[in-house]
Amino acid sequence: DIAMTQSPDSLAVSLGERATINCKSRQSVLYSSNKKNYLAWYQQKPGQPPKLLIYWASIRESGVPDRFSGSGSGTDFTLTISSLQAEDVAIYYCQQYYRSPPTFGQGTKLEIK
Amino acid sequence: QVQLVQSGAEVKKPGASVKVSCKASGYTFTNYAIFWVRQAPGQRLEWMGWINAGNGNTKSSQNFQGRVTITRDTSASITYMELSSLRSEDTAVYYCARDGGGVFSYYMDVWGKGTTVTVSS
Repeated sequence: DIAMTQSPDSLAVSLGERATINCKSRQSVLYSSNKKNYLAWYQQKPGQPPKLLIYWASIRESGVPDRFSGSGSGTDFTLTISSLQAEDVAIYYCQQYYRSPPTFGQGTKLEIK
Repeated sequence: QVQLVQSGAEVKKPGASVKVSCKASGYTFTNYAIFWVRQAPGQRLEWMGWINAGNGNTKSSQNFQGRVTITRDTSASITYMELSSLRSEDTAVYYCARDGGGVFSYYMDVWGKGTTVTVSS
């Protein structure tokens, strides 16, 4: 299985400031033939299911605010929230779908400072 | 709109089985696969398995040692996940989610609200 590790485990950011969450895969999730990174990001609020934010490492899902962006390639990825809003308080997970089984990071809890 | 509606909460005794359903609407059921993912209290999301709703092909996590069975009813657009030989560690919220890549086992673009399964004697 491809292990996914996120950092930090928790993060407190002031409203309007930038939040950055990192995700590292134990092996590359970049498929050389199509140059795609098989990496997604999800947001989970308390009592709710996860919500897809980003796929192919940097493609924003329809309806997701443009303050959310994904970057990175190979084994190192980043989710950035450019200007934190109160409604962004949640746990964020990365997931690789390069190889079965799909695996998730342990989650990063984002709070308001 | 695209929706996945899951069955209600269950309480089971150790050793029993549980069968959770996931009814799809708002899209062509057989054009997509469905994942099953669980989340134990305070734990990360864990992939359990996947079914191609079109041809019925399935894949399940080896972590469950053959205890997971995933099926579908195309006439009703429902997917089922059955977990047998339940133990207390199986207490979790169980989610179904649609395969955003169609039937390629990619990312999960639509999720059900989850079904809480409690295993307790």
